[in-house]
Amino acid sequence: AQTVTQSQPEMSVQEAETVTLSCTYDTSESDYYLFWYKQPPSRQMILVIRQEAYKQQNATENRFSVNFQKAAKSFSLKISDSQLGDAAMYFCAYYSGTYKYIFGTGTRLKVLA
Amino acid sequence: DSGVTQTPKHLITATGQRVTLRCSPRSGDLSVYWYQQSLDQGLQFLIQYYNGEERAKGNILERFSAQQFPDLHSELNLSSLELGDSALYFCASSAGQGPITPLHFGNGTRLTVT
Repeated sequence: AQTVTQSQPEMSVQEAETVTLSCTYDTSESDYYLFWYKQPPSRQMILVIRQEAYKQQNATENRFSVNFQKAAKSFSLKISDSQLGDAAMYFCAYYSGTYKYIFGTGTRLKVLA
Repeated sequence: DSGVTQTPKHLITATGQRVTLRCSPRSGDLSVYWYQQSLDQGLQFLIQYYNGEERAKGNILERFSAQQFPDLHSELNLSSLELGDSALYFCASSAGQGPITPLHFGNGTRLTVT
């Protein structure tokens, strides 16, 4: 069965600095998708970034980028120039062809002024 | 605003009771997903519907059931409630069944069982 693991329950970063959140997953599939979602205190889940497994190029969205290591089954999120509004829970998620997304347990990111 | 509406926002009920959570997907979205988020846990997949048909099932308890109606809104029914059912229940919708079309989440229903 596919699993998603986020080993960092909580991380802190100074405003304007860079932070990397880790995510590993386990799958026997070769074609799948990976996502990072943000859950601010408003509790709504917001898509941050998406990566297709068949693409070797790492996805980027403004200050957010990923380091996708397919062989290592690793999918980390890098946030550059951290802002106070980045403070939230971040969830890593996996999707294959089974119609369901599998989420990790989340990493709480604190941004220090 | 994601366009996904969940009602009610908060629900407090007693053990043994039954509740219904409602989800209206974003206009045009055919897929509806239900997730349970307990304290300090990730989102646990419960069930997914596409255009009225059940397509995937996760770790959904037998006491829980769901359906998607012809107008595409969905309801999640929770019965014989236990304290451990207290959680945030999310509905998400997408236009298709796969990951090409993004998931849009509602703001969740906070269920408290006392």
